[in-house]
Amino acid sequence: AQSVTQLDSQVPVFEEAPVELRCNYSSSVSVYLFWYVQYPNQGLQLLLKYLSGSTLVKGINGFEAEFNKSQTSFHLRKPSVHISDTAEYFCAVTTNAGKSTFGDGTTLTVKP
Amino acid sequence: DTAVSQTPKYLVTQMGNDKSIKCEQNLGHDTMYWYKQDSKKFLKIMFSYNNKELIINETVPNRFSPKSPDKAHLNLHINSLELGDSAVYFCASSQDETEAFFGQGTRLTVV
Repeated sequence: AQSVTQLDSQVPVFEEAPVELRCNYSSSVSVYLFWYVQYPNQGLQLLLKYLSGSTLVKGINGFEAEFNKSQTSFHLRKPSVHISDTAEYFCAVTTNAGKSTFGDGTTLTVKP
Repeated sequence: DTAVSQTPKYLVTQMGNDKSIKCEQNLGHDTMYWYKQDSKKFLKIMFSYNNKELIINETVPNRFSPKSPDKAHLNLHINSLELGDSAVYFCASSQDETEAFFGQGTRLTVV
């Protein structure tokens, strides 16, 4: 079984400030790691993913995440946020059996 | 061209009714899913189908019955709707263990 913990349910930041959304996971098998973004009244869309290789992955909209195997973490970062980044962010893990588990989400609110 | 489309987008119905939500993907993916997102935005997988075969069936009341006529379609039928079924239901598809592509969601309100 696997689980995903998003450590912050809400993150308020000012525009142009850096942000980090934290994600920890646990699993008895190897997993693939994902971050998704959900804008209001829309479905989820992929921000970035880690399947293998370099532990620092870059995604869309200037986001990046670093896979840390020893700490079982996959934190999402952006050096300078915009108002348009206000959304719900979900961390997810998927096993090679195709089962996905999502975290409870982090609401990022960017204030002017 | 919408990759994963689900209909209807909104569904308001009375308790006890039976309703269906349809989902189609044009990505050629082998795996399709149904997720439920509650009012607190928690997202939980309900079902997963691979090439029309059920591979994941989480703890979901048997009033919920998925049907996959072909690998591009995964419909969700719900019998005897209850107030607690009110949520947003998302269909998604994926190929192997890569990322899932989500539909826009169906907001179900049971009154």
